[in-house]
Amino acid sequence: DVKVTQSSRYLVKRTGEKVFLECVQDMDHENMFWYRQDPGLGLRLIYFSYDVKMKEKGDIPEGYSVSREKKERFSLILESASTNQTSMYLCASRTGLAGVSGELFFGEGSRLTVL
Amino acid sequence: GEDVEQSLFLSVREGDSSVINCTYTDSSSTYLYWYKQEPGAGLQLLTYIFSNMDMKQDQRLTVLLNKKDKHLSLRIADTQTGDSAIYFCAEMKTSYDKVIFGPGTSLSVIP
Repeated sequence: DVKVTQSSRYLVKRTGEKVFLECVQDMDHENMFWYRQDPGLGLRLIYFSYDVKMKEKGDIPEGYSVSREKKERFSLILESASTNQTSMYLCASRTGLAGVSGELFFGEGSRLTVL
Repeated sequence: GEDVEQSLFLSVREGDSSVINCTYTDSSSTYLYWYKQEPGAGLQLLTYIFSNMDMKQDQRLTVLLNKKDKHLSLRIADTQTGDSAIYFCAEMKTSYDKVIFGPGTSLSVIP
């Protein structure tokens, strides 16, 4: 069974703290994504990665960075957390093979609260 | 517009049909998707349609695509309480590009 695992389901951090959100997939997928989910706004793409050591900015990259040192792991970093980064963060992966449906496989999410 | 649009809420009675509508942004989008999110969980792909199709049926689910109006709909026949969830419409704009999501429609099924 395919699996995307986000290490932390719930986090509470203080303004200014550095935050790491980890995501691991066991499907040997090339592409990985970080979204944030806010009520009424749906999912907004923060960063994505087509392969190891590659990263691309999504629609809302400000205040975030990412790291993809290994194929199975994609980390989201908040260098200095702010209250407007309180949100649900969703990691997803998909195969890099062209000609398929492009289905995204999601983790269960990490709910971050910044005080 | 630049956004994928959906109504935010829908309420139906158990046993009725549900129809969730979506307007997407790009007439050249290759794949269009419906994802389902149950409480406390991530999203799961429910069904998808390739842009050269008008309709796709999968058991209780029917997807209709109107490319001229950039309109996508999901019909759930015989809606059950277990169908209560948030349903997201999404598009993949070009071949194997990033996927853009709508705001999600929260479906409530009344017993």
